[in-house]
Amino acid sequence: DQQVKQNSPSLSVQEGRISILNCDYTNSMFDYFLWYKKYPAEGPTFLISISSIKDKNEDGRFTVFLNKSAKHLSLHIVPSQPGDSAVYFCAARNSNSGYALNFGKGTSLLVTP
Amino acid sequence: DTGVSQNPRHKITKRGQNVTFRCDPISEHNRLYWYRQTLGQGPEFLTYFQNEAQLEKSRLLSDRFSAERPKGSFSTLEIQRTEQGDSAMYLCASSLAVGSYNSPLHFGNGTRLTVT
Repeated sequence: DQQVKQNSPSLSVQEGRISILNCDYTNSMFDYFLWYKKYPAEGPTFLISISSIKDKNEDGRFTVFLNKSAKHLSLHIVPSQPGDSAVYFCAARNSNSGYALNFGKGTSLLVTP
Repeated sequence: DTGVSQNPRHKITKRGQNVTFRCDPISEHNRLYWYRQTLGQGPEFLTYFQNEAQLEKSRLLSDRFSAERPKGSFSTLEIQRTEQGDSAMYLCASSLAVGSYNSPLHFGNGTRLTVT
């Protein structure tokens, strides 16, 4: 069963605009959430994370928002750049039952000039 | 520090053969993970080690799969009697865990297995 869902397989955004990638989860015991970025032929690269005790975390152009009541998180990229074009994976973990990360299927972001 | 290293990058094998992959984690990381990724899916957890101890295994890890981390440094993942359904990207990751802190996972570039 897919506990982390990314319902948009792809997203296209113009350079300079905001990219918003969404993620929903079903397991209310998840307490730590991460976003990874993946280029072709490379492994996923960690981008940003958020603990369930927070609702926002910001790192440069990247901001993650967490809405626990809706079991929803989103990644905002502002401003978007062509180099941001990649597949973005949302991941979640329940720290009390092991350290396995549950990943979504990914959203392919294309930033056009 | 050169990050997580995986070898080989690609492996083509015939059904029924055994294959072994190697992962060298970031040197100061004490946790090591194996994931599998198939086309159109996110990485799926297989197993993880804390130092040399294998602490968690997914139900995806059938009895044909075995992983070791004998000295708490590099790890190997062996698949015996490979099947076509084993074709996937096998990803290794490592992290540093101290007390309740666990750093984000750092992934290698993976080993792509093709079973013909």
